[in-house]
Amino acid sequence: GQQLNQSPQSMFIQEGEDVSMNCTSSSIFNTWLWYKQDPGEGPVLLIALYKAGELTSNGRLTAQFGITRKDSFLNISASIPSDVGIYFCAVPNSGGSNYKLTFGKGTLLTVNP
Amino acid sequence: SQTIHQWPATLVQPVGSPLSLECTVEGTSNPNLYWYRQAAGRGLQLLFYSIGIDQISSEVPQNLSASRPQDRQFILSSKKLLLSDSGFYLCAWSGQGSRTDTQYFGPGTRLTVL
Repeated sequence: GQQLNQSPQSMFIQEGEDVSMNCTSSSIFNTWLWYKQDPGEGPVLLIALYKAGELTSNGRLTAQFGITRKDSFLNISASIPSDVGIYFCAVPNSGGSNYKLTFGKGTLLTVNP
Repeated sequence: SQTIHQWPATLVQPVGSPLSLECTVEGTSNPNLYWYRQAAGRGLQLLFYSIGIDQISSEVPQNLSASRPQDRQFILSSKKLLLSDSGFYLCAWSGQGSRTDTQYFGPGTRLTVL
């Protein structure tokens, strides 16, 4: 089945630093989604990307849909302690069903105040 | 606006006991519904999904079952819990129509089997 390679697996940064993470695949997708999961809670949709090359911002977060449609990037600027959590990328399953998503394994972000 | 509820929030159960976790969605009709399990705070494993009231698909053979007694209600059950059933259970929904590819998650249920 399709797989997403999400990196890095974890990051330890100082408050105020910028963060970059990415997801890659060998398959082409028409949608890339980025979720954040706070500790002990359900994932929350941060940004949805529907067009190759698209660059979308949500506050300090910026995500890009790679021009090859095989990758996506999420950047966080000027990190703050509440940015702590697990960030997941996700894409709709290929092969006929849009009902399911494939998730990356997540990037665990720790921000030191 | 749409909201999704899960209960209980936390549950501690002995091995061999039954399980029933409930998920309900408000503010939408005929949603697709999903149950995921998350172990050790990392990857999301899809357990079941339902695209209609009589249509439930199982993704992983296991000790669990799912039912959808009403359009916006999704239940995860087990007759006899195993230690390996411990984890964080998440319910999610997606809408009908063109944006079925975006899922929205509930707050989760933390299950500990002792």
